[in-house]
Amino acid sequence: EVRLLESGGGLVQPGGSLRLSCAASGFTFSTYAMSWVRQAPGKGLEWVSAMSGSADDTHYADSVKGRFTISRDNSRNTLYLQMNSLGVEDTAVYYCAQNSGGTVASSRVFGSWGHGTLVSVSS
Amino acid sequence: EIVLTQSPGTLSLSPGERATLSCRASQTVNSYYVAWYQQKPGQAPRLLIYGASTRTTGIPDRFSGSGSGTDFTLTISRLEPEDFAVYYCQHYGTSLYTFGQGTKLEIK
Repeated sequence: EVRLLESGGGLVQPGGSLRLSCAASGFTFSTYAMSWVRQAPGKGLEWVSAMSGSADDTHYADSVKGRFTISRDNSRNTLYLQMNSLGVEDTAVYYCAQNSGGTVASSRVFGSWGHGTLVSVSS
Repeated sequence: EIVLTQSPGTLSLSPGERATLSCRASQTVNSYYVAWYQQKPGQAPRLLIYGASTRTTGIPDRFSGSGSGTDFTLTISRLEPEDFAVYYCQHYGTSLYTFGQGTKLEIK
């Protein structure tokens, strides 16, 4: 059974930084691309970033490009999202999601999701 | 950039009724890259349908997807109490992953 467990969320001031983690189990982590998807309170889903299984290909939504960095440690089966220069518009539940393939190009959907971690940006 | 518009925003129906949810793309898309997710309150989304019409393993056959071009539909043939949730369509393309704004399916 695929299990994805996010952590690292919390309250941060505007302009601050936060690092999210996603611990994966139940599948061969290095063979799947992974993504972060967020959901602002009461709003819809927004894809944030994706990384290939081999960690050699990354993609970002325009809304976070230059501020967020996705990474992974395949030896620890863990996905990360480093978030810098946070603004109130970044307040959301951040979900870790398993892409459907090993590369972003071959991954048209998100097959499994974690339960999310809440990031609140407020002064 | 492709924009997905879902309608209606809210759909009020009773258990046993048929639900029809729409997802319209701002330009023609390949149905291979269209998916549907279900999200219940306080839970993560769950993949229901991919390739516009293929059910994920374990999804009941009362859920069906159809469509092509710019218009896609998720149909729930006979609503069960556990089907009341928010449904999102999603497209994979040059802007990578795009979601519709969601349709809330509520009990009438």
